[in-house]
Amino acid sequence: GEDVEQSLFLSVREGDSSVINCTYTDSSSTYLYWYKQEPGAGLQLLTYIFSNMDMKQDQRLTVLLNKKDKHLSLRIADTQTGDSAIYFCAESLSGYSTLTFGKGTMLLVSP
Amino acid sequence: NAGVTQTPKFQVLKTGQSMTLQCAQDMNHNSMYWYRQDPGMGLRLIYYSASEGTTDKGEVPNGYNVSRLNKREFSLRLESAAPSQTSVYFCAGSGEGPTYEQYFGPGTRLTVT
Repeated sequence: GEDVEQSLFLSVREGDSSVINCTYTDSSSTYLYWYKQEPGAGLQLLTYIFSNMDMKQDQRLTVLLNKKDKHLSLRIADTQTGDSAIYFCAESLSGYSTLTFGKGTMLLVSP
Repeated sequence: NAGVTQTPKFQVLKTGQSMTLQCAQDMNHNSMYWYRQDPGMGLRLIYYSASEGTTDKGEVPNGYNVSRLNKREFSLRLESAAPSQTSVYFCAGSGEGPTYEQYFGPGTRLTVT
């Protein structure tokens, strides 16, 4: 069955780069997503990547996908205190509209 | 555009009471979803509706019912609330494939005593 795993916690200093990692098990994943959840709020879609891509860049965000290892990462450059949040990765499978979410990584950015 | 809206934002119920959580979207989404979020458990899918008139069970459907009232609205009903249903509930919508990216509402925080 499908499973998406993430490390639970990451702490960085303001101005550093953050790298949040995710692994998934289902090789038929078609799209992989990153969401951000701030305290008391819903999930906000940050970006997504098609499974036949290796990298996608969007301003301070870089998504890297290693299909062979089923590993997805989100790099945030010049991390700010406003980036402190929980980050979820998720996958979709071909032909299905449902997503499978990881349990989330809490990113804490200290000044 | 309001996106995905949920009412109420907060609710406290006693065990055995019933209530309906409301969700509406103005993004012309075909598919809508209900999740619950619990500490350490991530997001778990309760029910979803791939199109108007259809609903399907997700990972944790027991104790819940849903209604896809029309394309815009998807409600979640707790017929007899239990303390185990204390959670934060999120509604989401998504458009046509293949990307199926989901857009979430702000959530309803439910406490059952």
